[in-house]
Amino acid sequence: KAGVTQTPRYLIKTRGQQVTLSCSPISGHRSVSWYQQTPGQGLQFLFEYFSETQRNKGNFPGRFSGRQFSNSRSEMNVSTLELGDSALYLCASSPRQGASSYNSPLHFGNGTRLTVT
Amino acid sequence: AQSVAQPEDQVNVAEGNPLTVKCTYSVSGNPYLFWYVQYPNRGLQFLLKYITGDNLVKGSYGFEAEFNKSQTSFHLKKPSALVSDSALYFCAVRDDTDKLIFGTGTRLQVFP
Repeated sequence: KAGVTQTPRYLIKTRGQQVTLSCSPISGHRSVSWYQQTPGQGLQFLFEYFSETQRNKGNFPGRFSGRQFSNSRSEMNVSTLELGDSALYLCASSPRQGASSYNSPLHFGNGTRLTVT
Repeated sequence: AQSVAQPEDQVNVAEGNPLTVKCTYSVSGNPYLFWYVQYPNRGLQFLLKYITGDNLVKGSYGFEAEFNKSQTSFHLKKPSALVSDSALYFCAVRDDTDKLIFGTGTRLQVFP
């Protein structure tokens, strides 16, 4: 079974631009979560989507948004990029919604490394 | 608020020696605890979880973790470290909005 696929792997953008990251979950998984990983802040939860609806949201500004399609693929968008948005963005999928689905731990992709200059 | 703490930024151990990576947690109610590992330029991989039951949890790659309610700890252990175990290890806890909160990570370095 194919794992979680994130595209692109690397991205370089300029301040003020916007960016869209893509995540294809494991086949059959309906939940997709997004995390931002930086050396200073560690892993920060962005949001979770399940059945095309945002189910949970972290403490990020409105410049960070996402969506999920009917095939469970998800995209994350960051508008008006800032230098501090440089990070590894990780997507994780799970068959069920939320961390309570303890029999189905999160399966992570390899991430998209975004560099903002 | 729920949280996890990993007090050590880095742990160094010689190959063949036992290793421990520490994690303490703060939750209201029963804790759901997890360990994940991250290799360079990769995403996180699930190692093991504690939901309920035995305090000693066995996971992937020979790792185990000991849940201690009185000390609110969930330390990751392995009896004999391998050089290939060198990676970044994250402890995580479910919070009251049903999402995973991760610790800041501990870099494990196993020397030959």
